[in-house]
Order: sequence, then structure tokens, then C-alpha cells
Amino acid sequence: AAGVIQSPRHLIKEKRETATLKCYPIPRHDTVYWYQQGPGQDPQFLISFYEKMQSDKGSIPDRFSAQQFSDYHSELNMSSLELGDSALYFCASSLDRGGVDTQYFGPGTRLTVL
Amino acid sequence: KQEVTQIPAALSVPEGENLVLNCSFTDSAIYNLQWFRQDPGKGLTSLLLIQSSQREQTSGRLNASLDKSSGRSTLYIAASQPGDSATYLCAVSAYNFNKFYFGSGTKLNVKP
Repeated sequence: AAGVIQSPRHLIKEKRETATLKCYPIPRHDTVYWYQQGPGQDPQFLISFYEKMQSDKGSIPDRFSAQQFSDYHSELNMSSLELGDSALYFCASSLDRGGVDTQYFGPGTRLTVL
Repeated sequence: KQEVTQIPAALSVPEGENLVLNCSFTDSAIYNLQWFRQDPGKGLTSLLLIQSSQREQTSGRLNASLDKSSGRSTLYIAASQPGDSATYLCAVSAYNFNKFYFGSGTKLNVKP
């Protein structure tokens, strides 16, 4: 079965640089979520999209932005990178069937900021 | 804000033991509760999803229960194997929204 695809899997950037993470949800899934997991921490919700519209927003810095495109893939854009942005970034997708939704997580993108 | 706590933080057991992982949450108004497995440096693998109207779900050697009123869930692993060694995360989806609040996880080590 198709899973959530994230690219790149690993990314190394310098401070103050920009990074773009991509997420391709499971086919026909209409909801995408982004989470950030710092070293030794639990995943923290950043932002979500439903049918290409932002549906919820968590603790996402103003330096970050995201969008969902017409083909339902999503991109997380991160600017002015800081050392503290080093983390594993997960994308998850789900199909909302009236509240019964299992979130399927991608393998994550490991971002290292030097 | 919903807070999710998992106890114990770490657990080491000999192979073959049955074990229970605990998860508690502060706000009982949840949609779903999901248990995940995470291997070191890897992604999250969904194990079981319990809808708020359900009491338990089973998959193979895994059984997850939910007591929504008391804000608790347990993950029961029968006949543990070394391959079960991983971090187990519990997450609840907030009422009316589907973002997950995660616990800090229980790191399980099953010794051969």
C-alpha cells in the first residue's frame, strides 16, 4: 500500500539559510499535518491543511510557512534557520470520514542546522 | 491545553513477558487515541487507533484499551519479543480538531 512520502529524507543547512520540506500524502487523503520532533522530545504539532486550506495551527514560528497544493502535496518552508530548528519533521495524512481518521505518518525529514 | 503523560518513561523486561504501557490525558473530550511505535531515528508506525466511542482495539499481540472518562489508555503487549524494543508513543486528537497531542513515550527494551 502507498504510504506518505517525504523529501528530502535528510537535509543539512547553515544558520540563516532557507529550507523547503515536501510531503506527498497517501492518494485520496485530503488532510495533511506537519509535526516537529526535537532531539529526545515528543512530536509537536505545527500546522495542518484540509482540502488545501489551513485547518489548524500550532506552535509554528513566524519564520515558517506552509501550503497545500492542488494535487494535495504540501510544502513546509523554513526561513532564517536557527540551530534550534534542527529536528525530525514529520508529515502525516488522513482521510476524514466524519471524525474517524487514522493519521499515517511519513518517515520524516531530518533537518540539521549548522 | 491537552497534556498527555506516559508512564513508565522506560521499561526493560525479559523476552516472553506480558507488559502494560500507560497513557493518561488531562482533557477527556477527545476524538481518537492512537498508539505509535518509533524506532531510533525513524518515523512513527501506527499500531492501534481507538475511537472515542470504543473501549479497546486488538491487533495480534497488542491490545489497547481506552477509559475516556478517567483519561486513561493502556497498551498491553503479550509475549514480548526483542523485536518489540522501541519507543511507544500515545497520542490523542483534540475534540473538533484532528491534530495530535503526543506523550513523551515509553522506551521499551526486551532482553533476549
